[in-house]
Amino acid sequence: DADVTQTPRNRITKTGKRIMLECSQTKGHDRMYWYRQDPGLGLRLIYYSFDVKDINKGEISDGYSVSRQAQAKFSLSLESAIPNQTALYFCATSESSGGAFYNEQFFGPGTRLTVL
Amino acid sequence: RKEVEQDPGPFNVPEGATVAFNCTYSNSASQSFFWYRQDCRKEPKLLMSVYSSGNEDGRFTAQLNRASQYISLLIRDSKLSDSATYLCVVTLGFKTIFGAGTRLFVKA
Repeated sequence: DADVTQTPRNRITKTGKRIMLECSQTKGHDRMYWYRQDPGLGLRLIYYSFDVKDINKGEISDGYSVSRQAQAKFSLSLESAIPNQTALYFCATSESSGGAFYNEQFFGPGTRLTVL
Repeated sequence: RKEVEQDPGPFNVPEGATVAFNCTYSNSASQSFFWYRQDCRKEPKLLMSVYSSGNEDGRFTAQLNRASQYISLLIRDSKLSDSATYLCVVTLGFKTIFGAGTRLFVKA
């Protein structure tokens, strides 16, 4: 079984609809992340959470919100979807550590979202 | 200027070839450096870390040049299975910055 799972894997929705993307992990990691990937732009961080009570905005958080329901679950919501939010969305997890030391990020399989 | 820049490619090489990718980063305070691999329509996965002293993992060699602010990845004896997009990753504090990736196609 995959350590990091995302649901749904594919979603087509209409402009103005609310949509939630879910991420679950069995790795026991404290840190979780949401990214979007667009052609030619690479992965861009939307939100990240270093533990259940910690939520931080990334570089492109406008139009998105998140909820960290438990250590293992981190959801991303689009309150009112718009076409330029069409992208591939990845959830990732990593171990926590003190300071700024980086730990390897483990990614889910991605959710392909299309907003018409 | 992008914080992390990569040649998007694609690089088309025959099996057995040696291919090199470069990546430049803009912030001299960047701390850690990595190469991730992403197969088509799949999630990124860590390929290797990059150290100033250089490091090698089988056919893969990564190098960091802090003075010039660039990172390189060398793949020797390319295999068909090396076909993928290679992402350069740089960290700055708690911030992780991904390059847009370089696509590699290895042909039989």
